[in-house]
Amino acid sequence: KAGVTQTPRYLIKTRGQQVTLSCSPISGHRSVSWYQQTPGQGLQFLFEYFSETQRNKGNFPGRFSGRQFSNSRSEMNVSTLELGDSALYLCASSLVGQNTGELFFGEGSRLTVL
Amino acid sequence: GDSVTQMEGPVTLSEEAFLTINCTYTATGYPSLFWYVQYPGEGLQLLLKATKADDKGSNKGFEATYRKETTSFHLEKGSVQVSDSAVYFCALRMDTGRRALTFGSGTRLQVQP
Repeated sequence: KAGVTQTPRYLIKTRGQQVTLSCSPISGHRSVSWYQQTPGQGLQFLFEYFSETQRNKGNFPGRFSGRQFSNSRSEMNVSTLELGDSALYLCASSLVGQNTGELFFGEGSRLTVL
Repeated sequence: GDSVTQMEGPVTLSEEAFLTINCTYTATGYPSLFWYVQYPGEGLQLLLKATKADDKGSNKGFEATYRKETTSFHLEKGSVQVSDSAVYFCALRMDTGRRALTFGSGTRLQVQP
């Protein structure tokens, strides 16, 4: 059974640009959550999507957005990039939602903002 | 707000040594508690969990007991192996509100042969 797939794995952008990251969940999983991992702040929750609807949202500015498609694949977008957005962005899928706590994580997309 | 505090790493042990990674939490209420592990080059994996006080989670020789009185969930293993080298994350989840996982900062474990 294929795991959670995130693309791209690495990318470099400059300040002011925007970026879109993609996540394909495990087959059959309907929930996708996104987390940001940085050395200073650790792992922080961005948002969760379930059946194409945003179900939960963390404390991030509106520059961070996401969506989920009918096949459960998800994308997150960061607009007007800032240096502080450099991080590893992790996607996690679960069968029914992260309220069970059993999330399956991808390897992440490492974003560097110059 | 809710938070998780883990001991700083790296923790360096010899093979077959006893492991303890401390984890304490702050939460308004009674969360569920988790340990996740991240092996080199891989995503996070759920290692074990406990959903109420005095529960013991266990998996692959690792154990952790939910201690409400000390708000702790320390990870232990009696005899570590080189293959246990990884980063370990303690996390909590509240059963109300946002229900997202709140993670600790992670503890890197290095096991030497």
